Amino acid sequence: GESVGLHLPTLSVQEGDNSIINCAYSNSASDYFIWYKQESGKGPQFIIDIRSNMDKRQGQRVTVLLNKTVKHLSLQIAATQPGDSAVYFCAETGANSKLTFGKGITLSVRP
Amino acid sequence: EPEVTQTPSHQVTQMGQEVILRCVPISNHLYFYWYRQILGQKVEFLVSFYNNEISEKSEIFDDQFSVERPDGSNFTLKIRSTKLEDSAMYFCASSEMVAGVGTDTQYFGPGTRLTVL
Repeated sequence: GESVGLHLPTLSVQEGDNSIINCAYSNSASDYFIWYKQESGKGPQFIIDIRSNMDKRQGQRVTVLLNKTVKHLSLQIAATQPGDSAVYFCAETGANSKLTFGKGITLSVRP
Repeated sequence: EPEVTQTPSHQVTQMGQEVILRCVPISNHLYFYWYRQILGQKVEFLVSFYNNEISEKSEIFDDQFSVERPDGSNFTLKIRSTKLEDSAMYFCASSEMVAGVGTDTQYFGPGTRLTVL
């Protein structure tokens, strides 16, 4: 069936290091992918998105990579800061705009 | 910066009671959504709404659920007879339709925590 999942439940990184969060999706019809960040008690916050006609997109300190061949999505955060500590979700959608979320991975930044 | 707002932040209700969760989407957005997140689990799609009608709904969105846009700014989710398993965070989201394409960035509100006793 259709699913979006994350490889690891938690990730601990040293402040200043780069973080890489990975996600696998199974719906080959998906054409739009988004990374959200969720802090405790808050709603998902948009980080960066990418459409299926691209394989890389960069934002401020963040980069999303899309590998359609293996249905893999990753989020890279440069120079990770304590404020980056949160749960990160990948989500995908196709023509119907319904977002399918992965389970979420907790990023913990060590000072 | 425009944002989606939701009220109340926390709603406690007795099983069997009706609840209405309220959302004010971003003003120029045309697509509206409700999602829910049971504690410790992933965010799940409930329903999408466009042009005053439901575009798509999940199997979670049964006859106990309904949505409405009662005026030009509010978007509501009603649960007619709450069950214990309805306890969750409920998130409203909205997106701007761009160039006739409905797939666009969805911006989420802070959520309403519903507790059914």
